[in-house]
Amino acid sequence: SQTIHQWPATLVQPVGSPLSLECTVEGTSNPNLYWYRQAAGRGLQLLFYSVGIGQISSEVPQNLSASRPQDRQFILSSKKLLLSDSGFYLCAWSDYGYTFGSGTRLTVV
Amino acid sequence: SQQGEEDPQALSIQEGENATMNCSYKTSINNLQWYRQNSGRGLVHLILIRSNEREKHSGRLRVTLDTSKKSSSLLITASRAADTASYFCATDAYGNKLVFGSGTILRVKS
Repeated sequence: SQTIHQWPATLVQPVGSPLSLECTVEGTSNPNLYWYRQAAGRGLQLLFYSVGIGQISSEVPQNLSASRPQDRQFILSSKKLLLSDSGFYLCAWSDYGYTFGSGTRLTVV
Repeated sequence: SQQGEEDPQALSIQEGENATMNCSYKTSINNLQWYRQNSGRGLVHLILIRSNEREKHSGRLRVTLDTSKKSSSLLITASRAADTASYFCATDAYGNKLVFGSGTILRVKS
């Protein structure tokens, strides 16, 4: 069966520090992968999506970047975090429907 | 950008009552999906309805889709306290992307 792993669950980082969030999928090959961000009390905003290794599409200009070094690995990064990067980050993969990871709550202080 | 807008933003009902949430969207879609999110957790896929379908059922859930009005509704019958969560509609518009609405917060009081 397909599973999606996302870590860490919570993260507190100082302004200006780097960020690396990792998402891996098991039980499927060549999935479409997505990074979403959810601000407090709001809906989800699509940040990046990938249809294959090394193929990244960015939806909104921002301080973050994404990479897909392996078929089932999707990484969200930042060189220097801003306060506005705080939020709940969700990784997802799609097949018939979308399956989401459990999310990472990032607080930039 | 957000494609779907849910209505109402918040809904409070008594256990046993039905809950209806509505979603409107702007562009043509391939399908529309409803998700549930418990507080501070990931999203759980509830139901998917394709653009050529008008109604779909899954347990206590009933989803309708009106493509002429670009709207959908989610009905939860005989609600339970455990149904308390945020509910989001999301549209798949042929572009490998799922665009979410802003959500409806449902509170079911026991």
